Amino acid sequence: NAGVMQNPRHLVRRRGQEARLRCSPMKGHSHVYWYRQLPEEGLKFMVYLQKENIIDESGMPKERFSAEFPKEGPSILRIQQVVRGDSAAYFCASQGQANTEAFFGQGTRLTVV
Amino acid sequence: ELKVEQNPLFLSMQEGKNYTIYCNYSTTSDRLYWYRQDPGKSLESLFVLLSNGAVKQEGRLMASLDTKARLSTLHITAAVHDLSATYFCAVNPNTGNQFYFGTGTSLTVIP
Repeated sequence: NAGVMQNPRHLVRRRGQEARLRCSPMKGHSHVYWYRQLPEEGLKFMVYLQKENIIDESGMPKERFSAEFPKEGPSILRIQQVVRGDSAAYFCASQGQANTEAFFGQGTRLTVV
Repeated sequence: ELKVEQNPLFLSMQEGKNYTIYCNYSTTSDRLYWYRQDPGKSLESLFVLLSNGAVKQEGRLMASLDTKARLSTLHITAAVHDLSATYFCAVNPNTGNQFYFGTGTSLTVIP
């Protein structure tokens, strides 16, 4: 049973470009979370999704950021018109049921140049 | 605003010594998780605590949860170098399903 798969592992974008980060949850998991981690800091909650639904996006910036988890395929975190401040590690976690542990992917390290 | 605070933020300890990391949170919750993160790596699940008074042990690490005090502890016994990492606690509020992470404790075990 493969773990949570994120790709790409490293992503370099120029300012103003778009970044698309993908997350395939563990098999059978329908809950997906996205977190952002800045160097030497903790994880900041961004968004919680279930299949085809955004449950909680209270941690998402109001502009340029969006997330989806379609019926088929991975969850996508999309950042439009990236700026240097978007440089961070973005982690995805999946969960099978509520009240169970969440398993994390290896993360995507985004660098905006 | 929900707060999850860990202390200490940085911990340097000698091999063989014992120490405790504390995690305080500001919401009603009986679901708390501990994770380990090595530099440049992802988060590894260590413990899942789902009730008041829960205690779990794995090797040199033991975690406990006091939901009334809104406090969890991670106790390290006879530390070894391999335990050097950053440790995070995370809380699931009872009213929601998202995870809120603590600030992390960076542990360095010195030979």
